[in-house]
Amino acid sequence: SYVLTQPPSMSVAPGQTARITCGGNNIGFYSVHWYQQKPGQAPVVVVHDDSDRPSGIPERFFGSNSGNTATLTISRVEAGDEADYYCQLWNSTSDHPGVFGTGTKVTVL
Amino acid sequence: DVHLVESGGGLVKPGGALRLSCAASEFMFSTYTINWVRQAPGKGLEWVSYISSGSNYIYYADSVKGRFSISRDNANNSVFLHMSSLRAEDTAVYYCVRLVGTTHKYYFDSWGQGTLVTVSS
Repeated sequence: SYVLTQPPSMSVAPGQTARITCGGNNIGFYSVHWYQQKPGQAPVVVVHDDSDRPSGIPERFFGSNSGNTATLTISRVEAGDEADYYCQLWNSTSDHPGVFGTGTKVTVL
Repeated sequence: DVHLVESGGGLVKPGGALRLSCAASEFMFSTYTINWVRQAPGKGLEWVSYISSGSNYIYYADSVKGRFSISRDNANNSVFLHMSSLRAEDTAVYYCVRLVGTTHKYYFDSWGQGTLVTVSS
């Protein structure tokens, strides 16, 4: 089955930029989506279809996808961005189409 | 706003069974695909199962195939996850999630609050 690999954790200072990677074989051929999950809450989609933002998501959240790596970039990081982030894609050719990344915990220093 | 409310979680012994329910409202339920996604304590998200709008297509993760069964009742805006032969590793918060998007680009736009299933003797 398809595997998506993320760094387990990262730390970033307020006002700086966080770049969260999601690695997968030829992931650039898929549409990648990103979720933010804060403690005790359900995940919320922050980027879908590689780089689209749902209404209400700040422009500070930017997604890109090419080759074997998709990236979620959070610019001007704020304390409220501290959360777990997951990438996800839908592998329509598989009997197990739903695929999540391993997750990255972002800590704001 | 889309509303998804899970229920039916609880403590069950290994080898036991449980049925989770998901009640949907505020959208045209019968036209949407619904999934179950789970999250073990302190762990990441794991996709569990998928049921298409008309129940024509159903998929399961390998970890639950043969033990879990998904179904839906469009007349009552509900989805169910029948879980049997439960194992300790099935312990998790189970989320009912709506799937949206186009072919090859599906994603989960709305999530319930989750229901906790604990498998322990």
